[in-house]
Amino acid sequence: QLQLQGSGPGLVKPSETLSLTCSVSGASITSSSFYWGLIRQPPGKGLEWIGSIYYNGNTNYNPSLKSRATMSVDTSRKEFSLKLRSVTAADTAVYYCVRHIVGEEGVDWFDPWGQGTLVTVSS
Amino acid sequence: SYELTQPPSVSVSPGQTASITCSGDKLGDKYACWYQQKPGQSPMLVIHQDNKRPSGIPERFSASNSGNTATLTISGTQAMDEADYYCQAWDSSTVVFGGGTKLTVL
Repeated sequence: QLQLQGSGPGLVKPSETLSLTCSVSGASITSSSFYWGLIRQPPGKGLEWIGSIYYNGNTNYNPSLKSRATMSVDTSRKEFSLKLRSVTAADTAVYYCVRHIVGEEGVDWFDPWGQGTLVTVSS
Repeated sequence: SYELTQPPSVSVSPGQTASITCSGDKLGDKYACWYQQKPGQSPMLVIHQDNKRPSGIPERFSASNSGNTATLTISGTQAMDEADYYCQAWDSSTVVFGGGTKLTVL
């Protein structure tokens, strides 16, 4: 059964870089059918897609975060990662690692979701 | 940028039918999916590709998508269905979520 586990510092200082790594177990990260994504949820608020990455490194980002976000993938370690630069308090959120199923003609959905990692931006 | 609009809250009595809408420009021309999020838990997919239920999702969950509106319907609503529900679609290589609807079963 596919499981996604996020890891990273729970506390990041303003203006620094948030780094998060997602580990994939129970499935191949190199499957041609899937992307791997990150979605965040500020406390008490809704969901925001950050971006998705394919095993060959192809990426798609939320336009609102594209200038600060970089995703990468390490197939040998079965991990994908996010770096979010110049963080502010507005980046405080639970960050979810997800499998992103992307098909033809705009078919897509996220399943499953990891348990979420709370990242707080504060000095 | 593309936007999806959901009502902030919907209330339903146990055993009755709950309908949660998601509106967006020509949403019916895209594929919509729905997620359920209970307090303290990660979201869970309940509908994909407009109206397909993943394995393990009860048959009381159904959905449709036409025109500018996608609708999630929960028939015979149970107390365990009380949660936040989010719609999602893909537009111009970008993922878009609705703002979420809190379903209260009372």
